[in-house]
Amino acid sequence: DGGITQSPKYLFRKEGQNVTLSCEQNLNHDAMYWYRQDPGQGLRLIYYSQIVNDFQKGDIAEGYSVSREKKESFPLTVTSAQKNPTAFYLCASSMGQPPSSPLHFGNGTRLTVT
Amino acid sequence: KQEVTQIPAALSVPEGENLVLNCSFTDSAIYNLQWFRQDPGKGLTSLLLIQSSQREQTSGRLNASLDKSSGRSTLYIAASQPGDSATYLCAVLLSGGSYIPTFGRGTSLIVHP
Repeated sequence: DGGITQSPKYLFRKEGQNVTLSCEQNLNHDAMYWYRQDPGQGLRLIYYSQIVNDFQKGDIAEGYSVSREKKESFPLTVTSAQKNPTAFYLCASSMGQPPSSPLHFGNGTRLTVT
Repeated sequence: KQEVTQIPAALSVPEGENLVLNCSFTDSAIYNLQWFRQDPGKGLTSLLLIQSSQREQTSGRLNASLDKSSGRSTLYIAASQPGDSATYLCAVLLSGGSYIPTFGRGTSLIVHP
């Protein structure tokens, strides 16, 4: 079955450490997105990529970095510069620009930084 | 910038009721609008996608309508069941530009037996 796989489901890190969240899709989708979800705030866009080797900042990119070396993979690194990294992170993908398919989501990674 | 608002923020209804969830947006130049369901601790599951040229879409007990001129979409759930309990979110894509979805904050629905 095609879909988006996010790993790990839960991640715990100490303050000051960088951490990388994995997102892999086998839907052959061109565009991929990273969102952050906090209680009561809805989804906020961190980064997006519409094509391999290209990505753009979203609304809250500070303290985060991404890469898009392969079509199926879009890892997100939460750096020590992110002031409040504890959150639920969601990866999504869609086909084409403009999108010709519904937006698909992974099951998320809950990051806790202490 | 597109703003998406969902009202009410929370809703609790008895099983069997028909209910309507609302999504409003400020820029009517949309490409499409999508409704999602999110269960606690999970990702979003797509329910219905309405293109800008369409007025409504139906899937089972769900019906979504779109009125671009008034900047509104509604999600109608017929004969609600406890299994419908979840958070429902809408996302709007603007025409032109980067086609990045803008999400509302969602409506948290509880259907009690």
